[in-house]
This record gives sequence, C-alpha cells and structure tokens, in this order.
Amino acid sequence: AQTVTQSQPEMSVQEAETVTLSCTYDTSESDYYLFWYKQPPSRQMILVIRQEAYKQQNATENRFSVNFQKAAKSFSLKISDSQLGDAAMYFCAYRSGTQGGSEKLVFGKGTKLTVNP
Amino acid sequence: NAGVTQTPKFRILKIGQSMTLQCTQDMNHNYMYWYRQDPGMGLKLIYYSVGAGITDKGEVPNGYNVSRSTTEDFPLRLELAAPSQTSVYFCASRTRVRSPLHFGNGTRLTVT
Repeated sequence: AQTVTQSQPEMSVQEAETVTLSCTYDTSESDYYLFWYKQPPSRQMILVIRQEAYKQQNATENRFSVNFQKAAKSFSLKISDSQLGDAAMYFCAYRSGTQGGSEKLVFGKGTKLTVNP
Repeated sequence: NAGVTQTPKFRILKIGQSMTLQCTQDMNHNYMYWYRQDPGMGLKLIYYSVGAGITDKGEVPNGYNVSRSTTEDFPLRLELAAPSQTSVYFCASRTRVRSPLHFGNGTRLTVT
C-alpha cells in the first residue's frame, strides 16, 4: 500500500522569503501522480501543483515549484516570495496513474504553514 | 459554472440519527468521490464512483452508503450516526483518470 509522509507538522516563514515543505512517499508503482493541495481556514481544498512521475522536469506554477526526486521518493514544495495569503495547511498526496489502479488519493497528514509579516 | 456543490455546510446529529450529505457537480464528470477529514489528518476515501450506476468502497466505508443514479449527483448516506463519524466531509469529482480532482467546500458534521 502506498504511504505519504510529511515530517513537518508546522513551518513558518517571513513574508517575501522562501520556504520548502517536505514530502516523502512509498510505492512500488512506476506510473503515478503527486500533488500538493492547499487548505486555508475556509477549508476549501485547492490544488497547488501536480507532478507526473514519468516527467523528469520539475513542475512549476508561478511562485510554487517542486523538487521531485523519483529514486529517493521525495516530493518537496518550494514557495518563493511568500505572501500572507499562502498561510494554510498544505497536503502532499499520491495517486496511482495505472488504468484500473487504485482510485484512492493518499494524503499525508499535512504541514501548517504560518507566514509572518 | 458552480463546480462541485455540497449541502449542508454544517450539521449536528444526535447518536443514532441518519442523514444524507448531498453532492452535485455540473461539469459532467464521470468520477466522483467522498472523503472524510478528521482533525489534524489528511483525507481518507470513503466511497467512489466511476460513472452512473457504479460505486465502490474506499478506505473507510463502514457506516456509510452511496448511490449514483445520475452523472451529476453522488449523495452520501449516514445510517445510525456515531461520534466516530464527527468529521469534515468532502465531495470531489474529475473527468477522467489523468485529470485533477475538483473539490467541494466540505460539510462539517458533528455527532453528539
């Protein structure tokens, strides 16, 4: 069974600085997707960024980028130029990419990010 | 475009009561999901559906039932509510295997 581990329950960053959130996962599959979701106090789940395992290039979305290390099964999220609106819970998630594979999106326990003005 | 709509937003149930959490999407998505999020935890899959008339159990299905009579609607039924079902429930949908999930805004349920 796949597992996702976020080893940092809480992180803080100064406004305009850069912060990296860690995520490791365990799987025996070769075709899968990795995601970072943001959950602000409104509790809405917002997709921040996603990475296909078959792509070697790290995904980027504006100020958000990932460091995908497939061999190490590591998928960290870097937030550059942090803004007050980035404060939220961040969840790392895994999903099988195999047709007919597990429909389950496996989540980590989350990292609470605080942005200090 | 409303996306994924969940009702109600909040609900308090007494032990043993039943209720249905409603979920509807207007994006013509085939795949729909119900997750629960317990305090300090990530989401866990309760049930999912890959199309109208087809449902399957996820990781934590006990105490719940679902139906999928139309593409748009995927209600979640709680029978004999228990305190362990106190949680935030999220409905989500996507169009095909390789597309991202769209989430509803969640329903906060308290069972006392």
